[in-house]
Amino acid sequence: EVQLVESGGGLVQPGGSLRLSCAASGFIFSTYAMIWVRQAPGKGLEWVSLISDSGDGTFYADSVRGRFTISRDNSKNTLYLQMNSLTAEDTASYYCAKDRLAVPTYHFDYWGPGARVTVSS
Amino acid sequence: EVVLTQSPATLSLSPGESATLSCRASQNVITYLAWYQQKPGQAPRLLIYDASNRATGIPARFSGSGSGTDFTLTISSLEPEDFALYYCQQRNKWPLTFGGGTKVEIK
Repeated sequence: EVQLVESGGGLVQPGGSLRLSCAASGFIFSTYAMIWVRQAPGKGLEWVSLISDSGDGTFYADSVRGRFTISRDNSKNTLYLQMNSLTAEDTASYYCAKDRLAVPTYHFDYWGPGARVTVSS
Repeated sequence: EVVLTQSPATLSLSPGESATLSCRASQNVITYLAWYQQKPGQAPRLLIYDASNRATGIPARFSGSGSGTDFTLTISSLEPEDFALYYCQQRNKWPLTFGGGTKVEIK
């Protein structure tokens, strides 16, 4: 059974940093592209970042480029999102998700339950 | 960036009725469009990929159609568990983008 579980969320002050993790199981993690998507309270879905299966390719939304870094450790079946220079606009639930196929389709069939990040003083 | 506009924002229907949700793209996304369902407090669930293909385990009452800039998600006979938010997502051009969502609520 495919499982994705995010961790590392919490309350952080503006300008602070946080690292989210996404532990994956039930599939061959190293063969799938992975993404982070966020959802601000009461709002819609916003794509944040994507990483290729090997980790060689990374993509970012303009809203986070230069502040967030996506990475993965295929030996640990874990996806990461390092978030720096956080602002109130980054307050959201952050979801990790896996690509539908082992070849990139950029449609995502399994999602974690989400990690809540609150940026506030 | 490709802007996806979903309509209506809210659809009020009764169980057993048919639902038609629209997603319009600001540019041609060919058929590279997916639909997701999200219930309160839950993660999104992939329903349809590449405009018209049902994801694994999705009931046949869900169907997708369209190409280019106009897409439709149809739920043929609403079950109580279908009342939720629905989002479209395109993968034709970076950045990946989602529509603003359509809420299907019980009338």
